Amino acid sequence: AQSVTQLDSQVPVFEEAPVELRCNYSSSVSVYLFWYVQYPNQGLQLLLKYLSGSTLVKGINGFEAEFNKSQTSFHLRKPSVHISDTAEYFCAVSEPGGGADGLTFGKGTHLIIQP
Amino acid sequence: NAGVMQNPRHLVRRRGQEARLRCSPMKGHSHVYWYRQLPEEGLKFMVYLQKENIIDESGMPKERFSAEFPKEGPSILRIQQVVRGDSAAYFCASSPPGVMNTEAFFGQGTRLTVV
Repeated sequence: AQSVTQLDSQVPVFEEAPVELRCNYSSSVSVYLFWYVQYPNQGLQLLLKYLSGSTLVKGINGFEAEFNKSQTSFHLRKPSVHISDTAEYFCAVSEPGGGADGLTFGKGTHLIIQP
Repeated sequence: NAGVMQNPRHLVRRRGQEARLRCSPMKGHSHVYWYRQLPEEGLKFMVYLQKENIIDESGMPKERFSAEFPKEGPSILRIQQVVRGDSAAYFCASSPPGVMNTEAFFGQGTRLTVV
């Protein structure tokens, strides 16, 4: 069974400052890793994903994440945030080879950008 | 190519009524997942369907909930005799054949309120 832990429920950051949202996972097998963003009253939009290859993954809106297998982490970073980045961010994991239960999500981190 | 379409966006039901939530996957997608998001929580997997088949319903409550994905038409999540605890946002996701668990596209969700 897989699980995802997002350690911070809320992260307040000043505009134009860097941010890191933390994600740790546990799994007995290799995994695929994802970050999704959810704006208020909207669905989830994929920011980036790690399937294989380079451990540094670049996504949309200037976000990137690094897969660290030894630390079982997949932290999301952005060097300079904008007010429009205010949203809920979800880390998720799935199992290669077709585990039928889809994505396992963390509880989310609410990113609050302060002017 | 329209994205994943869910309707209605908002649904209000009285206790004991039935709720029907619809999901039309992206064109060419044959996998559909349903997730439930409770307030302040991440998304929880409910059920995974392919056309005319339920592949995994391990996340679905045993009673009152059912799902289908017919050969023609949208996928339907049906909740009978709704209770207050069913109030949540229900999200549908779809993915193409052959790429299970590498990416899922989400709809904007149906927000169910039971009064």
